[in-house]
Amino acid sequence: QVQLQQWGAGLLKPSETLSLTCAVFGGSFTDYYWSWLRQSPGKGLEWIGENNHRGNANFNPSLKSRVTISLDTSKSQFSLTLNSVTAADTAVYYCARRSSWYSAWGQGTLVTVST
Amino acid sequence: EIVLTQSPATLSLSPGERATLSCRASQSVSKFLGWYQQKPGQAPRLLIEDASNRAPGIPARFSGSGSGTDFTLSISSLEPEDFALYFCQHRSSWPITFGQGTRLEMK
Repeated sequence: QVQLQQWGAGLLKPSETLSLTCAVFGGSFTDYYWSWLRQSPGKGLEWIGENNHRGNANFNPSLKSRVTISLDTSKSQFSLTLNSVTAADTAVYYCARRSSWYSAWGQGTLVTVST
Repeated sequence: EIVLTQSPATLSLSPGERATLSCRASQSVSKFLGWYQQKPGQAPRLLIEDASNRAPGIPARFSGSGSGTDFTLSISSLEPEDFALYFCQHRSSWPITFGQGTRLEMK
């Protein structure tokens, strides 16, 4: 049974960089896309992007210029970096595993952007 | 991007009743539509894959149907634990998008 455990800073100021990491316990790390999504009351569930061990990355065009998703296969971890955050980036951020569908999720991290 | 519109926004039913939730896509997504359930404070849980296939471990009372632009999630006889938020999601093209959700509440 795969488990995803995520962590990272929960309070940021505008213009700072959001950084979250997700560790994968159990299951293969090479057979899936490793994804980040976020959820806010105003915008619902929003797909941020994904990457796999071959470096095949896909990003939401609305965020692409600010997003990096990197993988550390030796640690079975992957990370999200989102630059130049604003209040609009306030949300619960989830890491997730996707083969075809999102079959495993992290517990979620509330990230608040505020002065 | 493909917009998914879910209806109704809120559905009020009693345990034992049948629930029917709708998801309409702004353009065809073929069969590439999934459904998720989310309870307060939890991550979404995958229910239905590719429009009509139950994900592993999902009870048989959950079923999905549809193709193209119109999809339905049905719950045949509601259990108390089924009252939650439900989302549809497509994977037909990038960006992947989700519907805004249907809240299933107990009457």
